[in-house]
Amino acid sequence: QKEVEQDPGPLSVPEGAIVSLNCTYSNSAFQYFMWYRQYSRKGPELLMYTYSSGNKEDGRFTAQVDKSSKYISLFIRDSQPSDSATYLCAMEDDKIIFGKGTRLHILP
Amino acid sequence: SAVISQKPSRDICQRGTSLTIQCQVDSQVTMMFWYRQQPGQSLTLIATANQGSEATYESGFVIDKFPISRPNLTFSTLTVSNMSPEDSSIYLCSVEPGQGAQKDTQYFGPGTRLTVL
Repeated sequence: QKEVEQDPGPLSVPEGAIVSLNCTYSNSAFQYFMWYRQYSRKGPELLMYTYSSGNKEDGRFTAQVDKSSKYISLFIRDSQPSDSATYLCAMEDDKIIFGKGTRLHILP
Repeated sequence: SAVISQKPSRDICQRGTSLTIQCQVDSQVTMMFWYRQQPGQSLTLIATANQGSEATYESGFVIDKFPISRPNLTFSTLTVSNMSPEDSSIYLCSVEPGQGAQKDTQYFGPGTRLTVL
């Protein structure tokens, strides 16, 4: 079993919809959980950074961590075409492990 | 956070040659990292480069193939040596600005897109 599993997509949703992106993991030692957004031909940009379980909200973005289920989510409300990108989850114990990324397309 | 630049942004190279990628940070950081991102794959850590010590390489990566320099707290280079088409990838540097008890996560440069013919 891979340490971090992430559906590569692509995921296409209409503008204004709520987007749900998810990752599962196997290493219970992970303490820090991140979501990065990567536009085409750009480096990953940190979106959300959370420690341990719970929710964190920043504008239209909400990150959820459920350590009991080893499952993390990123929700995007009122999605915009500018949200079209690849979203990478990442988790850290003594090093960061990345998911493969989910390609998201927001349809105008 | 940190602002990171990389040079070159992209290059096309011939098999057997070497390319040195530069990474510049706008603030002093202890920990810098080099990653490779191949199409459809997750980011793979090549090595950790801390100023004042030898770079630490991950399994599958060796210094002869990917020599790294870290002359100061704001700069690092990664050389891809004796390139083959399998080295075609995006190479990214990242930094972790936090120090000591101040935990921080990593911030990435824009990447260098390398194509080896």
